[in-house]
Amino acid sequence: AQRVTQPEKLLSVFKGAPVELKCNYSYSGSPELFWYVQYSRQRLQLLLRHISRESIKGFTADLNKGETSFHLKKPFAQEEDSAMYYCALRGGSNYKLTFGKGTLLTVNP
Amino acid sequence: DAGVIQSPRHEVTEMGQEVTLRCKPISGHDYLFWYRQTMMRGLELLIYFNNNVPIDDSGMPEDRFSAKMPNASFSTLKIQPSEPRDSAVYFCASSLSSGGMDGYTFGSGTRLTVV
Repeated sequence: AQRVTQPEKLLSVFKGAPVELKCNYSYSGSPELFWYVQYSRQRLQLLLRHISRESIKGFTADLNKGETSFHLKKPFAQEEDSAMYYCALRGGSNYKLTFGKGTLLTVNP
Repeated sequence: DAGVIQSPRHEVTEMGQEVTLRCKPISGHDYLFWYRQTMMRGLELLIYFNNNVPIDDSGMPEDRFSAKMPNASFSTLKIQPSEPRDSAVYFCASSLSSGGMDGYTFGSGTRLTVV
């Protein structure tokens, strides 16, 4: 079975502060991990995927297999980062993504 | 490409009525997914198709829900009869099984309210 846990439903930081959105997963094989972002009342958009090791909008995420984590980080949060963030996992031969319940990030001025 | 297109954007219906949600995936994508989003449960996968064939419908809540994909460019999710607890945002997503690490492309969703 595959499971994604995002322990924080809500996260509030001030502009310019570092932010870390936590994601832990449970999967027996080698997972593919993703972060999706949903701005207010918009569609979900792919933000990051672990395989590409990229930085998008200043966000990075590192897959830590020992801790089974894929935390999303940004050193200096911006107000426009306020959104719902979902961590997602895909594993095995099936093609479905399993999502965490999401973390609502609010960046205050 | 216009992306994944869902219709309607909003639907308000009375309990007991039939509701049909529609989705047009990105041309050439061979996977299509239906998700339901609620505050309490987050994003739940209802069903997904590969090459128009349903692969996994274990997330469909009950017999009142059904989904079809008659061709590669169209899918429907039907609820009959609808109940207030079905109120949610329903997302359709499509993906290409390129063998790579691509995620999904989501539609804008249909916000369903059953009164």
